[in-house]
Amino acid sequence: AQRVTQPEKLLSVFKGAPVELKCNYSYSGSPELFWYVQYSRQRLQLLLRHISRESIKGFTADLNKGETSFHLKKPFAQEEDSAMYYCALKVRGTGNQFYFGTGTSLTVIP
Amino acid sequence: DARVTQTPRDKVTEMGQEVTMRCQPILGHNTVFWYRQTMMQGLELLAYFRNRAPLDDSGMPKDRFSAEMPDATLATLKIQPSEPRDSAVYFCASGFSGYGYTFGSGTRLTVV
Repeated sequence: AQRVTQPEKLLSVFKGAPVELKCNYSYSGSPELFWYVQYSRQRLQLLLRHISRESIKGFTADLNKGETSFHLKKPFAQEEDSAMYYCALKVRGTGNQFYFGTGTSLTVIP
Repeated sequence: DARVTQTPRDKVTEMGQEVTMRCQPILGHNTVFWYRQTMMQGLELLAYFRNRAPLDDSGMPKDRFSAEMPDATLATLKIQPSEPRDSAVYFCASGFSGYGYTFGSGTRLTVV
């Protein structure tokens, strides 16, 4: 069965420090993975998707099929990065359903 | 900037009352999702529609929840009767061809 695991519910880093939010997935098919971000009391926003291989707001994420991981990284955390981050797996099929992890709350300490 | 619109923004209701949440997806999007967000469970998928047809609502407690899309511009999520454990933020999201979804601002429901 498909599953997305974000092992850290809470993560705190100092401003300027590197940050890595972990995401592991379980899926027998070819995965498509996304990161969504939710700033305080705002809507969820798409941050990036692995097929684009893009860097958004300094964040990158590489799909590692061997380790079934899609960790989100940023070399120098900023205060405005404090938010809730969700990793999501798109499952192909009738409805292209999305499965979300339980989220990681990132706090960047000034 | 196209947005998914959800109403109401906040809702406080007494246990046992009916609650209806509304979502206006982005025009042209053919897939609509309802998610519930709680501190304990994170984001849970409740139901989703493609071309207004319900494809999966297995995440919803069937005895009290119902989701419909009466037309392409409106999706509704109804809880009857509501219970305190339903207190959560309910998000609607819409998209096209599952490429990445746009979320609404959510409805914060409190059942007392």
